[in-house]
Amino acid sequence: DADVTQTPRNRITKTGKRIMLECSQTKGHDRMYWYRQDPGLGLRLIYYSFDVKDINKGEISDGYSVSRQAQAKFSLSLESAIPNQTALYFCATRSEGTYGYTFGSGTRLTVV
Amino acid sequence: SQKIEQNSEALNIQEGKTATLTCNYTNYSPAYLQWYRQDPGRGPVFLLLIRENEKEKRKERLKVTFDTTLKQSLFHITASQPADSATYLCALDNFNKFYFGSGTKLNVKP
Repeated sequence: DADVTQTPRNRITKTGKRIMLECSQTKGHDRMYWYRQDPGLGLRLIYYSFDVKDINKGEISDGYSVSRQAQAKFSLSLESAIPNQTALYFCATRSEGTYGYTFGSGTRLTVV
Repeated sequence: SQKIEQNSEALNIQEGKTATLTCNYTNYSPAYLQWYRQDPGRGPVFLLLIRENEKEKRKERLKVTFDTTLKQSLFHITASQPADSATYLCALDNFNKFYFGSGTKLNVKP
């Protein structure tokens, strides 16, 4: 099993629909992050969490919300999806005292 | 905010040559800088980290340099192989959050 698992891998949804992307990890890391990747723009931080009770906005949090259900689970929600939220979404984890992120395989989201 | 620049044009080199990728940043110098590899449809994979007080770091065929005066990091792959073909991202820290460049695609031709 992968260290960081994202579901679903691919999703097509309609404008205005609510959608949740899920992330779970077996690394035992305390820190979890959500990024989106768009061609030419790189990875941009949406939300991050340093533990279950700590949630922080990243640089592009508008239109998104998150929930840290447990140390191992961090979900991202789009309350009312819009076409410019079409992107590749990545969950990443890291442990305090370590430096490299461990990324999931991504969720390709298309909003039509 | 921090701006990170990587060459958006693909780098095409011949197998066996050394590939050199560039990461430039504006504003403050980060405490450390990282390099990642990303294959199509996959998440980035951590390769190397270099701290601000280190000039150079090596790992097998990989070498990273960090020049805080030039605000630049160089990433070298020596004796490159077709399997090294991928997109390479640099990332800078900002108080426990990382900002990523958009990456440079490397194509190694046999």
